[in-house]
Amino acid sequence: QQQVKQSPQSLIVQKGGIPIINCAYENTAFDYFPWYQQFPGKGPALLIAIRPDVSEKKEGRFTISFNKSAKQFSLHIMDSQPGDSATYFCAAVLNTGNQFYFGTGTSLTVIP
Amino acid sequence: KAGVTQTPRYLIKTRGQQVTLSCSPISGHRSVSWYQQTPGQGLQFLFEYFSETQRNKGNFPGRFSGRQFSNSRSEMNVSTLELGDSALYLCASSLQTNTEAFFGQGTRLTVV
Repeated sequence: QQQVKQSPQSLIVQKGGIPIINCAYENTAFDYFPWYQQFPGKGPALLIAIRPDVSEKKEGRFTISFNKSAKQFSLHIMDSQPGDSATYFCAAVLNTGNQFYFGTGTSLTVIP
Repeated sequence: KAGVTQTPRYLIKTRGQQVTLSCSPISGHRSVSWYQQTPGQGLQFLFEYFSETQRNKGNFPGRFSGRQFSNSRSEMNVSTLELGDSALYLCASSLQTNTEAFFGQGTRLTVV
């Protein structure tokens, strides 16, 4: 059973567009929600993360929106660039350790 | 500050053999987690070690095992390799519980 559901599976946007990737979870024991970016042949790199007591967090061009009641969170990439083309993973972490439950990933392509 | 180092980067093994992968976490980090990444199953949690103790374990067969040394370096062992074990094995280190995790570049294991 997939603990974290991520959509869409793939996304194509024009340069300057704002891709949005969505994730949903069920387990209310999750209390840390990071997003990772992965390029081919590389390990995932931490982009931004949020805890459930905050509804929004911005770091540079990346924004997480968090809806605790709906158990959903999303990543917005402002002014997207071709260099943002990568696979993005959301994750949820239990408050008992560092066991990350990852979404299935979204392949983002930003067209120049 | 050095990142997470995984060795070797690539491995080719034959079915039935065993393999040991190594991970050196970021200096000062006591938590090391291991993940298997495949196109079909995505990123799946194997186990987490914290201060030399296995704290969490994922749903993998007993052929997958690990350990952590007093300097926080960790090793993962897979015995009796199967073709389906071919994957990218990723190690992540964290300073504390339920917080940022930083991934290494991974070890690409191919079982033939």
